[in-house]
Amino acid sequence: GAGVSQSPSNKVTEKGKDVELRCDPISGHTALYWYRQSLGQGLEFLIYFQGNSAPDKSGLPSDRFSAERTGGSVSTLTIQRTQQEDSAVYLCASSLAVGTDTQYFGPGTRLTVL
Amino acid sequence: QKEVEQDPGPLSVPEGAIVSLNCTYSNSAFQYFMWYRQYSRKGPELLMYTYSSGNKEDGRFTAQVDKSSKYISLFIRDSQPSDSATYLCAMIVPSNTGKLIFGQGTTLQVKP
Repeated sequence: GAGVSQSPSNKVTEKGKDVELRCDPISGHTALYWYRQSLGQGLEFLIYFQGNSAPDKSGLPSDRFSAERTGGSVSTLTIQRTQQEDSAVYLCASSLAVGTDTQYFGPGTRLTVL
Repeated sequence: QKEVEQDPGPLSVPEGAIVSLNCTYSNSAFQYFMWYRQYSRKGPELLMYTYSSGNKEDGRFTAQVDKSSKYISLFIRDSQPSDSATYLCAMIVPSNTGKLIFGQGTTLQVKP
């Protein structure tokens, strides 16, 4: 079946602009995770969703970052007033349920902030 | 000190070699351990998933967990050029959130 998809695959934006990154999880997966992968920091957790709620937002780097999930499916990660340090690959993963189920990753969105 | 340490390499081996990849960690509460493989400009894909200490084998891949030493390993036998990728170890943070914490990743090149 279809895996996790993300769009856009690449995004180049100017400093100060807002960007929206989209994640389509595997159908039927109730858990959805966002991670960020950058050269200096490796792969780091940002936020997760159980259904439509986000119990843990502690990984978001600043209040410029927000995420939502609607209908228990698609999720959007929004970065406001982008900064150059936001340049990274943003990865989405989904799993059947929150906890120890295998997380399946999407291909990522490569964000470049000029 | 990071919670999970992994030598970033790069590691270069000839085709057919046995490859050993390793991670150390500091939190003794970790129980679930994973190895992901990531090709360039792709998302990570799960290779091996183990619980607690012990060995698990799948084809040419063997994962080992030694909780007493807080040390995990991935062995690749008869390595192939197609195994050239970055290998990431990961552990589930014991908080019932499913949050993964990753090593830095080791870049492996298998030369024909």
